[in-house]
Amino acid sequence: DAGVIQSPRHEVTEMGQEVTLRCKPISGHDYLFWYRQTMMRGLELLIYFNNNVPIDDSGMPEDRFSAKMPNASFSTLKIQPSEPRDSAVYFCASSATRGENTGELFFGEGSRLTVL
Amino acid sequence: GENVEQHPSTLSVQEGDSAVIKCTYSDSASNYFPWYKQELGKGPQLIIDIRSNVGEKKDQRIAVTLNKTAKHFSLHITETQPEDSAVYFCAARNQFYFGTGTSLTVIP
Repeated sequence: DAGVIQSPRHEVTEMGQEVTLRCKPISGHDYLFWYRQTMMRGLELLIYFNNNVPIDDSGMPEDRFSAKMPNASFSTLKIQPSEPRDSAVYFCASSATRGENTGELFFGEGSRLTVL
Repeated sequence: GENVEQHPSTLSVQEGDSAVIKCTYSDSASNYFPWYKQELGKGPQLIIDIRSNVGEKKDQRIAVTLNKTAKHFSLHITETQPEDSAVYFCAARNQFYFGTGTSLTVIP
């Protein structure tokens, strides 16, 4: 398997623009997670899905952030409008777990977002 | 909410020496404690994990110990090698919360 695939790897945009990050999880995994990584705050869980259904979005910073999972092989994280403080590396991870979030997470290589 | 504290934030050791990284957590309901290794430009990768019904787990040069009473768990790397240089993260509360990371440098 190719692993978790994220795109784009790098994104530079201007404040106010819409940003869409994409993720393809490992086939057969029924959990998908979006994390954000910054120097100041480390790794933060934004939202996670089970069988394409959002389970917990309490980590989503504000209404400018939204995530969807239209099918088992694709998810998006959208920021509209983007702000400089959104600059971070966004990771997608998938898992085939025995219970809620208690198994190995397989991370993608991340999408580095810079908002000018 | 959950608080996961990880120490030290940076660690330098000579090749062949041991390295120990410690995490403490506050949520008594946490029952899964993984350690991830992140190399530059990559996503974190699981290196070892432990569940709450076990006190210690070992995999070659890597071991994790868990003290549920004291709410802390530690990563032990023995006979360190330059390729062990990376950032290491612990997690608790079902991986909702990660530690802030330890940057390990192994000096040849």
